[in-house]
Amino acid sequence: ETGVTQSPTHLIKTRGQQVTLRCSSQSGHNTVSWYQQALGQGPQFIFQYYREEENGRGNFPPRFSGLQFPNYSSELNVNALELDDSALYLCASSLVRQPSYGYTFGSGTRLTVV
Amino acid sequence: SQQGEEDPQALSIQEGENATMNCSYKTSINNLQWYRQNSGRGLVHLILIRSNEREKHSGRLRVTLDTSKKSSSLLITASRAADTASYFCAQSGGGSEKLVFGKGTKLTVNP
Repeated sequence: ETGVTQSPTHLIKTRGQQVTLRCSSQSGHNTVSWYQQALGQGPQFIFQYYREEENGRGNFPPRFSGLQFPNYSSELNVNALELDDSALYLCASSLVRQPSYGYTFGSGTRLTVV
Repeated sequence: SQQGEEDPQALSIQEGENATMNCSYKTSINNLQWYRQNSGRGLVHLILIRSNEREKHSGRLRVTLDTSKKSSSLLITASRAADTASYFCAQSGGGSEKLVFGKGTKLTVNP
């Protein structure tokens, strides 16, 4: 059984550019959630995808968008990058939308916007 | 903000001692979860306690939940240097699919 895999692990982008982060969910998991964690803070919910449909969104602007594929892997896209977008982006997968056993998180993608 | 809070923000203890971290939250929950994070990497799920449970054990971990006070505590007994990490509580519920995390407690266990 594989865990959650995120790529790339680190990324440096320039303000105004666009970025795509990728997540492969744990085998058998059909739900993927994305979180943003700024330095020294707890993770904040961006959105969740369940069976290829968005299933809830946090307080993030529309330039944060996502996608889930038929194999349940997912992408997070951020357009018009701002300096404040620098953070660790975490992907979490689960078998259902609100699991009673917790989520499985990936190791994250560290995004730096300069 | 719905964000909960952990207390203390930082904790430094000697190996073998017990570590207690507290968490307060603001809204109704289905369950409360605790996660560990090493050096800004991914989160590892430690334990989940449901809103109708008061105490739960897993190995050296003990979690309590007081829904009347909207608070939870995580106790790590006989701590080890490898327990050095940040610990986060996360509330789940209120009809929402998201986890709401606190800011975390940074635990340092000195050998």
